[in-house]
Amino acid sequence: DQQVKQNSPSLSVQEGRISILNCDYTNSMFDYFLWYKKYPAEGPTFLISISSIKDKNEDGRFTVFLNKSAKHLSLHIVPSQPGDSAVYFCAASAKDFGNEKLTFGTGTRLTIIP
Amino acid sequence: DAGITQSPRHKVTETGTPVTLRCHQTENHRYMYWYRQDPGHGLRLIHYSYGVKDTDKGEVSDGYSVSRSKTEDFLLTLESATSSQTSVYFCASTTGAQREQYFGPGTRLTVT
Repeated sequence: DQQVKQNSPSLSVQEGRISILNCDYTNSMFDYFLWYKKYPAEGPTFLISISSIKDKNEDGRFTVFLNKSAKHLSLHIVPSQPGDSAVYFCAASAKDFGNEKLTFGTGTRLTIIP
Repeated sequence: DAGITQSPRHKVTETGTPVTLRCHQTENHRYMYWYRQDPGHGLRLIHYSYGVKDTDKGEVSDGYSVSRSKTEDFLLTLESATSSQTSVYFCASTTGAQREQYFGPGTRLTVT
């Protein structure tokens, strides 16, 4: 039972345009969401997060939007750069289940076309 | 970023042999985790630790055991490796006061 879903395995975007990566979740107990970026042969690195009390969090070129009623979050990257080419994982945690565990999606491979 | 190292970085082993992967962190983080990454499955939690000698199972713990005798070290053991355990293994750690986990560089394990 996949509680965190990333339905697009891959996405290609022109350099300079906006990249939008999507994530859906089923567990209504999730109250904190994170995005990780992963380059080949490296470990995932934390990118940005959002608490369920917010609907938007912005950090430079990266913005995460949360729609609790739809159980959906998205990561916007503007403008997209070649260095953004990587696999992006969405993750979620539920306070009542223990803050310390994360549930990950299957990832979306983003390719930025120069 | 947390200072997390994993050893070995690559390993090829035969079916039925025991294998131990090591994770070492220098951040004095309380929580440590072992994940495996497989195509189509993302990152799945194998085991985690919430303190020295305190461990618990994740969603894919069968065939794996862990030990944590020191805050900085978390060992993952495959008692008798199988081909289904061919994967990339990641260790992570966090303080527990924050939700973000910090990952090591990974170990690519091939079981032939």
